Amino acid sequence: DAGVIQSPRHEVTEMGQEVTLRCKPISGHDYLFWYRQTMMRGLELLIYFNNNVPIDDSGMPEDRFSAKMPNASFSTLKIQPSEPRDSAVYFCASSFNGYTGELFFGEGSRLTVL
Amino acid sequence: AQKITQTQPGMFVQEKEAVTLDCTYDTSDQSYGLFWYKQPSSGEMIFLIYQGSYDEQNATEGRYSLNFQKARKSANLVISASQLGDSAMYFCAMREPNTGNQFYFGTGTSLTVIP
Repeated sequence: DAGVIQSPRHEVTEMGQEVTLRCKPISGHDYLFWYRQTMMRGLELLIYFNNNVPIDDSGMPEDRFSAKMPNASFSTLKIQPSEPRDSAVYFCASSFNGYTGELFFGEGSRLTVL
Repeated sequence: AQKITQTQPGMFVQEKEAVTLDCTYDTSDQSYGLFWYKQPSSGEMIFLIYQGSYDEQNATEGRYSLNFQKARKSANLVISASQLGDSAMYFCAMREPNTGNQFYFGTGTSLTVIP
């Protein structure tokens, strides 16, 4: 079975540019999570969706960040405009409903903003 | 208050020995799940083991076991017979329905296995 698929795996961009990260969750999973990981801040939850509806976006740093889930098989995380402090690894993860379901992570998108 | 606390930023263990990574959690829910993940230097997040709040026995998966002490709200990961490939970051996590089934992660413990 295909796991969580993220693209791009690596992105290098210049400050001020728009960045779009993409995620395809595992088929049948109800929940989709976006995390950001840096050495300084560790693993941070940015936003999560349940049945394509955003449930908690309190972790989104500021208005420059937005996330959408137009259908059950696709989600995007957009940063516009990007800044050097946005440099991080962004993980998408999905899971079944219920507290017994583990989180399946994608391989991450490593973003570098120059 | 932190939902998940991992107090050991770094740990060292001799190859072939056992090691315990500590994790305490905070919840008022009766139903919850506890998880451990491994993140090697290559960066992927690997699920290791799960323990449900109603499970009476400690979970085991190969060389991994979870020492679940409900009254103490602790969920320590025990790795037996450590191998060099066990060197990685380890994250404890909790999921509870009371807060929308989101996952709470600890800050992680960096484990280094010494040959």
